[in-house]
Amino acid sequence: GAVVSQHPSWVICKSGTSVKIECRSLDFQATTMFWYRQFPKQSLMLMATSNEGSKATYEQGVEKDKFLINHASLTLSTLTVTSAHPEDSSFYICSALGGDSYNSPLHFGNGTRLTVT
Amino acid sequence: AQSVTQLGSHVSVSEGALVLLRCNYSSSVPPYLFWYVQYPNQGLQLLLKYTTGATLVKGINGFEAEFKKSETSFHLTKPSAHMSDAAEYFCASRYNTDKLIFGTGTRLQVFP
Repeated sequence: GAVVSQHPSWVICKSGTSVKIECRSLDFQATTMFWYRQFPKQSLMLMATSNEGSKATYEQGVEKDKFLINHASLTLSTLTVTSAHPEDSSFYICSALGGDSYNSPLHFGNGTRLTVT
Repeated sequence: AQSVTQLGSHVSVSEGALVLLRCNYSSSVPPYLFWYVQYPNQGLQLLLKYTTGATLVKGINGFEAEFKKSETSFHLTKPSAHMSDAAEYFCASRYNTDKLIFGTGTRLQVFP
């Protein structure tokens, strides 16, 4: 089946530094990828929709300058948390759309746990 | 606006008992509906989905869900709970966009 690889699975960084998270579709091409954020014991909140070759579409309330998204190829999207602060500590999950229609399946990565000290 | 409501943030059952996790959707037109399971510190795994056609949908691990338009519901059931079913379960909907809207989740505990 379709696999989405997310790396790293966990990262600890110091406040003020930047962290890059990669999301790769291993055996399919994904023109659209999504980035979610999940706080402990809460649901997934959509942060942005990433489309290959174009700017990401951010959800209301998400700082685009803080959460930089790049979707440079059909198999890779990256999320960079810039100047991270402790409140950015969270579980970040990406998903990739395995097709061109809105009923195409969504495949999820295993998430990245970010801890900012 | 599209939304998904999961009644009960926690559900506890005994091993072998019926599992019932509730989900109601809110949209003017029935959306596509999904149930996902999440184990600790992992991503989401699709259990089952409803798009069109048969309203009773069978998924993996013995789970099934029934789409009821009259009740705007898509409850998840499993006849006999297993210890390995303990996890967080999310109902989600998608309509007219690629966005997947998640419910708040239900944590299922299974006691021996």
